[in-house]
Amino acid sequence: NAGVTQTPKFQVLKTGQSMTLQCAQDMNHEYMSWYRQDPGMGLRLIHYSVGAGITDQGEVPNGYNVSRSTTEDFPLRLLSAAPSQTSVYFCASSVTGTNQPQHFGDGTRLSIL
Amino acid sequence: GQQVMQIPQYQHVQEGEDFTTYCNSSTTLSNIQWYKQRPGGHPVFLIQLVKSGEVKKQKRLTFQFGEAKKNSSLHITATQTTDVGTYFCAGPRYGGSQGNLIFGKGTKLSVKP
Repeated sequence: NAGVTQTPKFQVLKTGQSMTLQCAQDMNHEYMSWYRQDPGMGLRLIHYSVGAGITDQGEVPNGYNVSRSTTEDFPLRLLSAAPSQTSVYFCASSVTGTNQPQHFGDGTRLSIL
Repeated sequence: GQQVMQIPQYQHVQEGEDFTTYCNSSTTLSNIQWYKQRPGGHPVFLIQLVKSGEVKKQKRLTFQFGEAKKNSSLHITATQTTDVGTYFCAGPRYGGSQGNLIFGKGTKLSVKP
């Protein structure tokens, strides 16, 4: 099993560009989520999904969209990149909710110029 | 709103010294999870505590969940250089669906050989 796979690992964008961060898991987990990590801020939840076709907002959703058309994939879209979105982005999955360990991908390091 | 706070933010120890990080929640938690993130890496699940007053050990690591289920601690005995990293606690975010965790900001541990 590959676990949680995130692509790309690194990306540099210009302000105003859009892009999609990919996340795929092969563990048949129902729950997937996206976090951003900034120095001194810990992990902040952007969006999450409790199953295919169901998504909801987290703590810092503005400027990001998600969709969950399959159990395996949970892409994160930046609509119009801003320097404030420079961060490390982690995708995570778990079997069932907050009573199960979260499995994290290796992260995407994103810089917005 | 709901908060999960960790202290200290940073801890520098000499190899062989003990280390403790504390996690305090503004609300009662049904469970608490601990994660370790090595420099440049992704968070990795360490343990989950569920019961009031629960104590669990993993080799040199001791985890404790408070009687009121609002606080927790992680104690490392005789630190080693392999313990370097940031330790996060996380608990369920109420008002959201399952799979929605709120993380503390972490304690960054450095170990001097």
